[in-house]
Amino acid sequence: EVQLLESGGGLVQPGGSLRLSCAASGFTFSNYAMTWVRQAPGKGLEWVSAISGGGFSTYYADSVKGRFTISRDDSKNTLYLQMHSLRAEDTAVYYCAKFPSILWSGHKYGMDVWGQGTTVTVSS
Amino acid sequence: QSVLTQPPSVSGAPGQRLTISCTGSSSNIGAGYDVHWYQQLPGTAPKLLIYNTTNRPSGVPDRFSGSKSGTSASLAITGLQAEDEADYYCQSYDSSLSVRVFGGGTKLTVL
Repeated sequence: EVQLLESGGGLVQPGGSLRLSCAASGFTFSNYAMTWVRQAPGKGLEWVSAISGGGFSTYYADSVKGRFTISRDDSKNTLYLQMHSLRAEDTAVYYCAKFPSILWSGHKYGMDVWGQGTTVTVSS
Repeated sequence: QSVLTQPPSVSGAPGQRLTISCTGSSSNIGAGYDVHWYQQLPGTAPKLLIYNTTNRPSGVPDRFSGSKSGTSASLAITGLQAEDEADYYCQSYDSSLSVRVFGGGTKLTVL
């Protein structure tokens, strides 16, 4: 069974840092692009970042560019999101999702498997 | 404000057919880019419902269908059931922003 399990969320002060992890199982992790999507309380979905299979290319939303770094360790079947300079507006449930292609670029395909999410709260 | 515009809410009685619209522009849906739809049941993660505008992943009932015309896309649900009560999101690619974008979401209520 294909599964994604996020961890690493929590309460952090404004300006602080946090690293999220997403453990994947049930598929050949290195063959697929992966992505992070967040959902602020009571709000809709917002795409945050993506990484191609093999980690050769990374992509970021303007709202997090320069503050967040996406990475992957294919030997551990794990996706990461390192978050720095956190702001109150980064408060959200962060989902990792699998993309059914090794490449993120293009317009085809949706995110076909999602984790259950991990909650990040930025507050003093 | 989202690049893709969805009605905040729709409602229907069991057994009815309803549609959820997703209105974009010439830099996304109107440019020919595919539209994908997600269903988010209360308190759960989103689930892919329709991909590449008209395709259903394995396990999604054929009561759900997608279409596109011009700068808009639609998700149709026939034979509405109580278990369909959820939030629905459209998603496409925007060439002006060079990113994948989501609609604001539509809350479906089954009366």
